[in-house]
Amino acid sequence: DVKVTQSSRYLVKRTGEKVFLECVQDMDHENMFWYRQDPGLGLRLIYFSYDVKMKEKGDIPEGYSVSREKKERFSLILESASTNQTSMYLCASRSGTGGFNQPQHFGDGTRLSIL
Amino acid sequence: AQSVTQLGSHVSVSEGALVLLRCNYSSSVPPYLFWYVQYPNQGLQLLLKYTSAATLVKGINGFEAEFKKSETSFHLTKPSAHMSDAAEYFCAVSITGTASKLTFGTGTRLQVTL
Repeated sequence: DVKVTQSSRYLVKRTGEKVFLECVQDMDHENMFWYRQDPGLGLRLIYFSYDVKMKEKGDIPEGYSVSREKKERFSLILESASTNQTSMYLCASRSGTGGFNQPQHFGDGTRLSIL
Repeated sequence: AQSVTQLGSHVSVSEGALVLLRCNYSSSVPPYLFWYVQYPNQGLQLLLKYTSAATLVKGINGFEAEFKKSETSFHLTKPSAHMSDAAEYFCAVSITGTASKLTFGTGTRLQVTL
């Protein structure tokens, strides 16, 4: 089974702090994704990466950046945390081979609170 | 651009009753469609996926979904609800040429009552 591990389940930070959310997958997947999940809005894509050091903006990239230095690890960075970034953050990975019908595999999420 | 609409943010059924969760998609090209389930305090788990091999797709936990191109729908059903089915369900669409991006619906929370 694919294992996607997010470093923290719960995180509390203060406004203005630089926040790092880490995600590691163990299946040698090429594609990795960061989403935020908010009630009534579903999942919204922040950034994704289709290879090491490659990244693309998703639908809501403002206030975020990402880093992918190694294939198994994809980091989400909140440059200067704000209260409107309080949310559940979900990481996912997906095989880059086998076509577009390959599903994404999700971690358990990080519930981030910005005070 | 593709999009997904899930009708009904909350659905309540009695244990043993039919479960029907609705999903309509919008896509200018043949889509790939997915249903995911999220249990409390967990990530999303794949229930099933449509990949054009068959219009009726069977998934885990007794769920199935039927792709209807004429209605642009991919509704999720289960003949008999169980208490353990209580969760949030997300429909998602992916199309070729979008670098494997998924577009999710806003989710439907399923409540199962005795």
